[in-house]
Amino acid sequence: EAGVVQSPRYKIIEKKQPVAFWCNPISGHNTLYWYLQNLGQGPELLIRYENEEAVDDSQLPKDRFSAERLKGVDSTLKIQPAELGDSAVYLCASSSGGISYNEQFFGPGTRLTVL
Amino acid sequence: GNSVTQMEGPVTLSEEAFLTINCTYTATGYPSLFWYVQYPGEGLQLLLKATKADDKGSNKGFEATYRKETTSFHLEKGSVQVSDSAVYFCALIRGGNDYKLSFGAGTTVTVRA
Repeated sequence: EAGVVQSPRYKIIEKKQPVAFWCNPISGHNTLYWYLQNLGQGPELLIRYENEEAVDDSQLPKDRFSAERLKGVDSTLKIQPAELGDSAVYLCASSSGGISYNEQFFGPGTRLTVL
Repeated sequence: GNSVTQMEGPVTLSEEAFLTINCTYTATGYPSLFWYVQYPGEGLQLLLKATKADDKGSNKGFEATYRKETTSFHLEKGSVQVSDSAVYFCALIRGGNDYKLSFGAGTTVTVRA
């Protein structure tokens, strides 16, 4: 079974440029998460989707970040414009959902460097 | 709020040495506790978990016991291998139907042959 797929794995951009990250969750997983992982820290949740609905985006900086999950499968996270402080690893995870905890499976992440 | 504090790294060990990574937590209610591992170039993987007090999670020779009286969930392995070199994260989910993982900062472990 394929795991969570993310692309690109690495991205280098100049500040003020836009950037987008793509995530394909495990087949059949209704719940999708985007996490931000700063260097030397643990991941922090940005947004959670149940199917195509963003059910928790309270930690997403909405002035520059946006996300979508059209058709409830793949998801895209966008930053526009990027700032130096956005340099980090962006992780996508998925789970089978439900009201009780289901293991979250993580992708390898996209490492963003903003120059 | 929920928080997890884990031992700072990096930790460097020789093969067959004993490994302990300390983890303590602050949370309301009755959280579930987890250890995740991130091998070089790979995504986070669930290593083990415990959902109630005194539960012991175990996997791949690693163990951790949920200690409510000391709010701790220390990770141990009796004899490490080079392949155990990774970053280890302690995490929790608050009880009930909470889904939000709260992670510690991670501990980098390097095992030398």
